[in-house]
Amino acid sequence: QVQLQQWGAELWKPSETLSLTCALYGGSLSGFYYTWIRQPPGKGLEWIGEINPDGFTKYDPSLKSRVLISLDTSKNQLSLKLNSVTAADTALYYCARGRGNWDRPLGYWGRGTLVTVSS
Amino acid sequence: DIVMTQSPDSLAVSLGDRATINCKSSQSVLGNSNNKNFVAWYQQRSGQPPKLLIYWASTRESGVPDRFSGSGSGTDFTLTISRLQAEDVAVYYCQQYYNTEMTFGPGTKVDIK
Repeated sequence: QVQLQQWGAELWKPSETLSLTCALYGGSLSGFYYTWIRQPPGKGLEWIGEINPDGFTKYDPSLKSRVLISLDTSKNQLSLKLNSVTAADTALYYCARGRGNWDRPLGYWGRGTLVTVSS
Repeated sequence: DIVMTQSPDSLAVSLGDRATINCKSSQSVLGNSNNKNFVAWYQQRSGQPPKLLIYWASTRESGVPDRFSGSGSGTDFTLTISRLQAEDVAVYYCQQYYNTEMTFGPGTKVDIK
């Protein structure tokens, strides 16, 4: 059974580089889209970016200059780095995987990591 | 960006009754090559991550009860819960994946009347 387990620090100071990791259990990283989504407190879902099965990344234009999504196939892990964070980056961050090979709808989700940016 | 809007913002339905949520995209999300609509629906219960219910606008994800159905094409889409159950209390989001940049609707909160 496919599971995504997330971890990472929950409190970050302004200007730091946020780093989150998501491990895939019960399957291989290969052949799937991996996506990071965030949800500000009490608000809706925001797409941060994705990495496709060929390893190419796409990011939300408003975050593109600050974000990096990567895969570590040796560890079966996905990571997110977001630099120069501000209070506006405070949100619940989710990793998610496409429902099937080369499918973009998000069929599997991590439990989420609540990230707070505060001095 | 393709902007997704939803209506209503919230609704309260009696147990066993029908709930209907509408979603509109700012441009057509009907694919030219596959003639499919690049729309998905998610359910998010309180304190939980979203759960995929419907993709390609009308294809039910494996394990999703058949009381959930999706319809629509082009720019107008609908999620219908035919017989509302207590466990269906949640926020429902539509999403387009036609563009590289996925976008979500603002969500519709469904409660029991």
